Amino acid sequence: QVQLQESGPGLVRPAETLSLTCSVSGYSISHSFYWGWIRQPPGKGLEWIGSIYHSGNTYYNPSLRSRVTLSLDTSKNQFSLKLSSVTAADTAVYYCARDRGYFDSWGQGTLVTVSS
Amino acid sequence: EIVLTQSPGSLSLSPGETVTLSCRASQSVSSNYLAWYQQKPGQAPKVLFYGASTRATGIPDRFSASGSGTDFTLTISRLEPEDFTVYYCQQYGGSPPWTFGQGTKVEIK
Repeated sequence: QVQLQESGPGLVRPAETLSLTCSVSGYSISHSFYWGWIRQPPGKGLEWIGSIYHSGNTYYNPSLRSRVTLSLDTSKNQFSLKLSSVTAADTAVYYCARDRGYFDSWGQGTLVTVSS
Repeated sequence: EIVLTQSPGSLSLSPGETVTLSCRASQSVSSNYLAWYQQKPGQAPKVLFYGASTRATGIPDRFSASGSGTDFTLTISRLEPEDFTVYYCQQYGGSPPWTFGQGTKVEIK
């Protein structure tokens, strides 16, 4: 059974870059599927950020495209998110998930707060 | 971008009752690629259905889903205490971006 776990700083300064990593166990990300990121501001709904294919192909939410970079590290079975020039509006729980179009396996989520 | 509108925003029911949640898309969802999720407080969402009506592994049959085109529904029969939480729909038809509805909260009366 595939399991995902997010890791990274819980506090990021405004205008800096948010960086998170998702470690996957129980499945090799180099084998197949897209791998995605979704976020949820406190008390609000879900927003898809973007996804990366096992080959490295990416697609992003147009609303965040200019600030988002996704990457893979197949040797560590991990994929990563970088979100630049963050503001308080980027404060959210960030989830990584396996993307089959729908998201069938999720990490537990990690809260990232943007504050000085 | 396809906008999903869920209704109602919230509702109060008693255990044992039946509830139907609605998800309406701003344009037709290609191949009926519509999923439903349940999210409990402090937890990640869990997929209930995909492809509009295909039940995910381990989901009780008191949950059912249907719909096509722009109108989709999730029905929960014989509400159990653990069912009182938030439900989201999500479309993944055609090209990204994938989008979610704003959620429906099912509260206990």
